[in-house]
Amino acid sequence: QSALTQPPSASGSPGQSVTISCTGASSDVGGYNYVSWYQHRPGKAPKLIIYEVTKRPSGVPDRFSGSKSGNTASLTVSGLQAEDEAIYYCTSFTVKNKFVFGTGTQVTVL
Amino acid sequence: QVQLVESGGGVVQPGRSLRLSCAASGFIFSSHAIHWVRQAPGRGLEWVAIIFHDGSRTYYADFAEGRFTVSRDNSQNIVYLQMNRVRAEDMAVYYCVRDGRGWNFDYWGQGTLVTVSS
Repeated sequence: QSALTQPPSASGSPGQSVTISCTGASSDVGGYNYVSWYQHRPGKAPKLIIYEVTKRPSGVPDRFSGSKSGNTASLTVSGLQAEDEAIYYCTSFTVKNKFVFGTGTQVTVL
Repeated sequence: QVQLVESGGGVVQPGRSLRLSCAASGFIFSSHAIHWVRQAPGRGLEWVAIIFHDGSRTYYADFAEGRFTVSRDNSQNIVYLQMNRVRAEDMAVYYCVRDGRGWNFDYWGQGTLVTVSS
């Protein structure tokens, strides 16, 4: 099972938006609406920020939004804040009831 | 509040075995599937395995198939990951993670470090 493809890095100034892509295949991202996104800060456990492509858990700011088109899912962080600096991972449910993570994207707030 | 506490990590020789435990509290344990996810040094997150809420089904990443076994005791609120024939590339922090009942990972433990060294 190959990891989903994410850009290694993304950046923006405070207040700007960044969008991170997550590309898979019809056997994972394209085939199921079970794409989720995680924020991982150093020394902390990863945090769920988007599930089922577009849904936000309670407590996650609406600056975080998700979408999907074909085999590619995307996470947009609007109104960037310093606290958003972290590594972001996507993941998807796959055929054969397995799961696959993306390669991770380091978001830097300039 | 939801808590997941891993234990059992440590130094293991290549080819030997190790059993990780995950003690859960703060939620109805028997209602949730549990995953194991790992992160090797300097690498990204990697899914390892899932056990369904009632233990009826388990699924594994290709690298874990045939070597790792996940099990659970719903009377004790504990999940185990038995790691056999450990390899150098299994060295990682292993996280116990609750499935949010939508095939997502909604609560994570702090992780336990497995070091593979002869």
